[in-house]
Amino acid sequence: QSVLTQPPSASGTPGQRVTISCSGSSSNIGSNTVNWYQQLPGTAPKLLTYSHSQRPSGVPDRFSGSKSGTSASLAISGLQSEDEADYYCAAWDDTLNGVVFGGGTKLTVL
Amino acid sequence: EVQLLESGGGLVQPGGSLRVSCAASGFTFSSYAMSWVRQAPGRGLEWVSAISVSGGTFYAGSVKGRFTISRENSENTLYLQMNRLRAEDTAVYYCAALEYSSSSLDYWGQGTLVTVSS
Repeated sequence: QSVLTQPPSASGTPGQRVTISCSGSSSNIGSNTVNWYQQLPGTAPKLLTYSHSQRPSGVPDRFSGSKSGTSASLAISGLQSEDEADYYCAAWDDTLNGVVFGGGTKLTVL
Repeated sequence: EVQLLESGGGLVQPGGSLRVSCAASGFTFSSYAMSWVRQAPGRGLEWVSAISVSGGTFYAGSVKGRFTISRENSENTLYLQMNRLRAEDTAVYYCAALEYSSSSLDYWGQGTLVTVSS
């Protein structure tokens, strides 16, 4: 059972906009920044967005993160086939004194 | 180019010990907190441990008292000493550079597989 809650799956067609949610609590999302990771099949995870909505260089602006209270979301616009991957949210937890992850959302591009 | 290269994974019996390493290059290793994250086969990501720039350590409850994280800044190397291993510790172990202000795991290695089985 993950500390952060994500839907196990999401899907969309090419060009569509998809949103993945992430729910936490006051000790993690509520008081710290949220980061999102993308894991393509058979590869290591990669930082996708950080500090709620910032993107590392090289990440397309089709990916955007946001946070409200104890929840966060990742939006992917202009969906492409290469976006098919697992997506994880994460944040520091002040009670557990460590990073907590969501269970991951498998995105399928139909 | 940033590189994190894990090594030391393998097959170990339950109750045994193993040390995995992570060699860093392409960034100022001593200026970054570092972390270990694992992924059991077919499962999600699980944070294991972190070490600050000054050497302060943090552990997930599932490994506290069994695993020890350490770093050697002169060699740009991160370690994870794993003792009293259990079958549920079987996973790919990734090292990652942890940005303190955002707690984001900015750079990741390719992972090393640890299998605990008799």
